[in-house]
Amino acid sequence: GAGVSQSPSNKVTEKGKDVELRCDPISGHTALYWYRQSLGQGLEFLIYFQGNSAPDKSGLPSDRFSAERTGGSVSTLTIQRTQQEDSAVYLCASSLIAGGNQPQHFGDGTRLSIL
Amino acid sequence: KNEVEQSPQNLTAQEGEFITINCSYSVGISALHWLQQHPGGGIVSLFMLSSGKKKHGRLIATINIQEKHSSLHITASHPRDSAVYICAPEGHKLSFGAGTTVTVRA
Repeated sequence: GAGVSQSPSNKVTEKGKDVELRCDPISGHTALYWYRQSLGQGLEFLIYFQGNSAPDKSGLPSDRFSAERTGGSVSTLTIQRTQQEDSAVYLCASSLIAGGNQPQHFGDGTRLSIL
Repeated sequence: KNEVEQSPQNLTAQEGEFITINCSYSVGISALHWLQQHPGGGIVSLFMLSSGKKKHGRLIATINIQEKHSSLHITASHPRDSAVYICAPEGHKLSFGAGTTVTVRA
């Protein structure tokens, strides 16, 4: 069956440009998570969505970062006015519902490089 | 924020050896994930457990909720087990350990 799909797999852009990263969760999964892994760093939580509830944005590093989830399915993570420190692998995961006892399934990530 | 500590940071073993990775966390949780990340970056969820022990093939994960501690064991290690293993306690979102880089030599 289809897993979590992320696009693009790689993105190279110039500093100051806006980028959009897309995540298609597993069908039927109501919870969707965005994480970031910078070079040589551990994984870092960014934001998560659970159904129609307001998203938990507590991990977003600055107001240049935003995310939306349309129709409870596909999510887009947008980074405005990109900076070099935004270079990282951005990972999306989904689970049946949020919270314990539900495994998260990860996409392959989008490798973002800011020149 | 859940403070997560993994040990060791790096581990090298000979094929066939028994490997243990430890994870401690600071805040009570509902479940804990062990993740595996191979070179190239793909992440696979190995286990999610909220109590006791789980076994899958040569991998065993244990958790002590009261002591806020979990371990991942690899029995009869093999070079294909070489990867980064990440502990991720879950409240309403995952926190992550820094990962343990495991290298198994043939």
